[in-house]
Amino acid sequence: DAGVIQSPRHEVTEMGQEVTLRCKPISGHNSLFWYRQTMMRGLELLIYFNNNVPIDDSGMPEDRFSAKMPNASFSTLKIQPSEPRDSAVYFCASSFGTSGYTGELFFGEGSRLTVL
Amino acid sequence: KQEVTQIPAALSVPEGENLVLNCSFTDSAIYNLQWFRQDPGKGLTSLLLIQSSQREQTSGRLNASLDKSSGRSTLYIAASQPGDSATYLCAAPNDYKLSFGAGTTVTVRA
Repeated sequence: DAGVIQSPRHEVTEMGQEVTLRCKPISGHNSLFWYRQTMMRGLELLIYFNNNVPIDDSGMPEDRFSAKMPNASFSTLKIQPSEPRDSAVYFCASSFGTSGYTGELFFGEGSRLTVL
Repeated sequence: KQEVTQIPAALSVPEGENLVLNCSFTDSAIYNLQWFRQDPGKGLTSLLLIQSSQREQTSGRLNASLDKSSGRSTLYIAASQPGDSATYLCAAPNDYKLSFGAGTTVTVRA
């Protein structure tokens, strides 16, 4: 299996621009997580999907952030408008799980976002 | 809420020495525990997943133990090599969420 695939790997943009990050989870996995990692705050869970349905978006910092999962093999995280404090590495991770259980979690390589 | 702590934050050892990395968690009602490795600029790589019914899990030079009653897990890396230099994170579940420790950054000196 190719693992979790994220794109782009690096994104440099200017404040106010729209950013879209993409994720392809491992085939057969039904749980998908978006995380953000910074030196100051470590790994933060942004949103969790189970069977393509957003279950928990309490970690999404503001209305500027939105995420979708139109099908089992694709998810996007969008930031509009972007701000310098959004600069971080964004990870997508997938597993097989239920509403109360998460199996072994596999991460993508991440998308490093820099907002100038 | 599940709180995960990893001590020490950093560790430096000479090549060949065995590594012992500690992880503690506050809620012992876990169904599994996972150890990850993260290299600089990379994603997290799953090393070992221990189910709650297991006390140990082994993969090559890596061995992870789990003691739910004391809220502790330990990752042992035998005969360390410079290529083992990385940050190691443990994660314990809280419902469907994983709570991550801050990690232990390991440097193996040649």
